[in-house]
This record gives sequence, structure tokens and C-alpha cells, in this order.
Amino acid sequence: TQLLEQSPQFLSIQEGENLTVYCNSSSVFSSLQWYRQEPGEGPVLLVTVVTGGEVKKLKRLTFQFGDARKDSSLHITAAQPGDTGLYLCAGADSGTYKYIFGTGTRLKVLA
Amino acid sequence: EPEVTQTPSHQVTQMGQEVILRCVPISNHLYFYWYRQILGQKVEFLVSFYNNEISEKSEIFDDQFSVERPDGSNFTLKIRSTKLEDSAMYFCASSVRGHTFGSGTRLTVV
Repeated sequence: TQLLEQSPQFLSIQEGENLTVYCNSSSVFSSLQWYRQEPGEGPVLLVTVVTGGEVKKLKRLTFQFGDARKDSSLHITAAQPGDTGLYLCAGADSGTYKYIFGTGTRLKVLA
Repeated sequence: EPEVTQTPSHQVTQMGQEVILRCVPISNHLYFYWYRQILGQKVEFLVSFYNNEISEKSEIFDDQFSVERPDGSNFTLKIRSTKLEDSAMYFCASSVRGHTFGSGTRLTVV
């Protein structure tokens, strides 16, 4: 059974601080995605990483896919209250393109 | 920007009743999915659908569940006889590479 563990589970920080969220698995994934989910809404795709060691930047967000394609990280620089939300990683099953979702990190950025 | 549309946004149903959740995927996408998220828990895969048939289903997707693509645009999830534990947000997604999710249907079984 493929599992994705995210850490930390909860994170509360002050505006302007930096943070890193981790997504770890013992399984290899063909690709990995990061989503952000607001209460009562569906997950919204932030980024897809495909190649081991790949780094992608989206404004203040930096995503990295581990060399072995088993883990990933999301780093936010100078967090803002608008970054508050639930961050989910999801790994793609190469057989069917179904996604295994991580346990989620709930981020709260205080003004 | 193309989006996945789900209806209804909320559904309350009596235990034992049948419900149909509807989705309109993005038109040029080939893969379709249903996921569910019980309140406070993680998103769980239910079923994937490709080329007009189920390509994979999870243990959750038992005989009470079925999916259809009745007319080439809609993609439906039917729960035949709802149970209290079916209460959850149900998300449809379509994909070429990377999922686009709908906003979900909140199903409450009472």
C-alpha cells in the first residue's frame, strides 16, 4: 500500500517567516503534485514535478522532488496570511495515473 | 480557464436512499476520477475511468457504487443505498496530466 506522510501536520507562523513542508514515502512515484485546499472547496493544483531532483518555483513557493522520486518538499519564503490553507501532496501511480494523497499540512499565517 | 463542474454542491439524503452525484469534466480530458474526503481526513481515491470503463477502483468502491458517462459530457457517481458513513465531500477530477478537481459535492446522510 502506497502511503504519503506529510510533516508537520499543523503549522502556525508569523507573517514574513519562512517554512518548509515535507512529503515522504517509501514508494517511488512517476510524478508528484502539490495542491492547496480551502475549506469546502476542491484541491487546487499548484505544481507537478516529474524528474528526480527537479526544483520548481512559483513566486514565493519552491517545490523540490527527491532524487529517488519518493519524497518532496514545499518551501514558502516570507509567508503571508493569504498562504493560509491546507497543503496536500499527491503521488501519481504510474499504472493508472490515480493519485495517492498525503495526510496534509494545515498552515496558518498570522498577520 | 477550463474547469470541472460538480452538481449539486450539497446533498442531504435519508439513509438507504440512492443518490447520483454529477460532474462535467474538462472536454478534452481523457481520464476521470472520483475521490472522497471525510471531514477532517485525507482525500481518498474511489475510482478511475478511461475509455468508457473503470480502469481502477479502491476497496471503498464496493457494489453500492457505480459510475457512468451517459452522454459523453457528464460523469456520474451513483450510491445505491446510502449509509451514514458515506457522508463526505465527493470530488470529481479529470486529467490529461495532473488532476483538475471540481469544487465537490457535500453529501450528508441522515
